[in-house]
Amino acid sequence: EDKVVQSPLSLVVHEGDTVTLNCSYEVTNFRSLLWYKQEKKAPTFLFMLTSSGIEKKSGRLSSILDKKELFSILNITATQTGDSAVYLCAVGSGTSYGKLTFGQGTILTVHP
Amino acid sequence: EAQVTQNPRYLITVTGKKLTVTCSQNMNHEYMSWYRQDPGLGLRQIYYSMNVEVTDKGDVPEGYKVSRKEKRNFPLILESPSPNQTSLYFCASSRAGGWTNEKLFFGSGTQLSVL
Repeated sequence: EDKVVQSPLSLVVHEGDTVTLNCSYEVTNFRSLLWYKQEKKAPTFLFMLTSSGIEKKSGRLSSILDKKELFSILNITATQTGDSAVYLCAVGSGTSYGKLTFGQGTILTVHP
Repeated sequence: EAQVTQNPRYLITVTGKKLTVTCSQNMNHEYMSWYRQDPGLGLRQIYYSMNVEVTDKGDVPEGYKVSRKEKRNFPLILESPSPNQTSLYFCASSRAGGWTNEKLFFGSGTQLSVL
């Protein structure tokens, strides 16, 4: 059974701090790993990673994948209150195309 | 505007009364999927559809049915809802489908309470 575990489950920081969110996985025939941000209701797409060691970057957010150690990290630098959200990691399997397994999410709270 | 539309947004019902949650996308996406979200469990996939007339079970399909008769619509059917199906439900779609697991577009969610 495919498994995705995120840590920490919850994180509280102050504006300006840098945070690192972790996602580890056990998936048969890994294809891709995706990060989503969920603020009020619907998750929104952040990154998709398929190759090991290549950093994806968007503004203050960046992510990297390690396919050997089976994990990914999402970094947020100079956090702002608008970064407060649930961050979801999902992994796609090449064995069952279309099947996407999500982790339980990390709740990030950024205080002013 | 490109979007995934779910209806209703909120639904309170009683055990055993059949219900349907509709999902429609206007992006000509091949792939559509249903998820439920429960505290501490994250998003769990119920069913997905690679394209019209092709559907498959996700991780938690018991108690649910789906159909994909046309590309834009993917309704979720609960034939006999039970309290353990109380949850927040999301419909999602993507262009190329499961092959590349491209980014999903999510609907706004349906909060279902089964009494």
